Amino acid sequence: AAGVIQSPRHLIKEKRETATLKCYPIPRHDTVYWYQQGPGQDPQFLISFYEKMQSDKGSIPDRFSAQQFSDYHSELNMSSLELGDSALYFCASRGAPRYEQFFGPGTRLTVL
Amino acid sequence: AQKITQTQPGMFVQEKEAVTLDCTYDTSDQSYGLFWYKQPSSGEMIFLIYQGSYDEQNATEGRYSLNFQKARKSANLVISASQLGDSAMYFCAMREGQAGAQKLVFGQGTRLTINP
Repeated sequence: AAGVIQSPRHLIKEKRETATLKCYPIPRHDTVYWYQQGPGQDPQFLISFYEKMQSDKGSIPDRFSAQQFSDYHSELNMSSLELGDSALYFCASRGAPRYEQFFGPGTRLTVL
Repeated sequence: AQKITQTQPGMFVQEKEAVTLDCTYDTSDQSYGLFWYKQPSSGEMIFLIYQGSYDEQNATEGRYSLNFQKARKSANLVISASQLGDSAMYFCAMREGQAGAQKLVFGQGTRLTINP
């Protein structure tokens, strides 16, 4: 069965640089979520999109933005990177009316 | 206030034994759902099981079952006949938010170690 695809899997950036993370949801899933998991932490919700419209927003810094495109893939754009942005970033997708969220393998971002 | 509480930071179990991972939750919503995810050392988040608040039967998926006690606001995960590959971090989560959104709120996790 098709799963959520995230790219890149690993990313190393310098402070103040920008990064773009991509997510391709499971086919026919209409909702995409982004989560951030710091070292030794539980995942924290950043932002979600339902049918290409932003549906909810969590603790996402103003330096971050995201969008969902017409083909349902989503991108998380991160600017002015800080050391504290180093984390595992997950994308998850869900297909209504079911509630299960399926996670991608994650993008491990390291900011030096 | 913490909405999902997992009180066991770590658990050690002998292979082939059953194990129960605790999860309690707090919500004033009538409609909600509880999830369990497994996170191996490789980092991926693997969906295990889901229980809706209106589901009358406890959810089961192979060796996983969810012991849902609504009055006590608990949703414990039971793994039968544990295997070495079950060693991982386990997260309990609850969905919250309006329809079309439904973000997940996670507990702190329980690190399970299966000993041979």
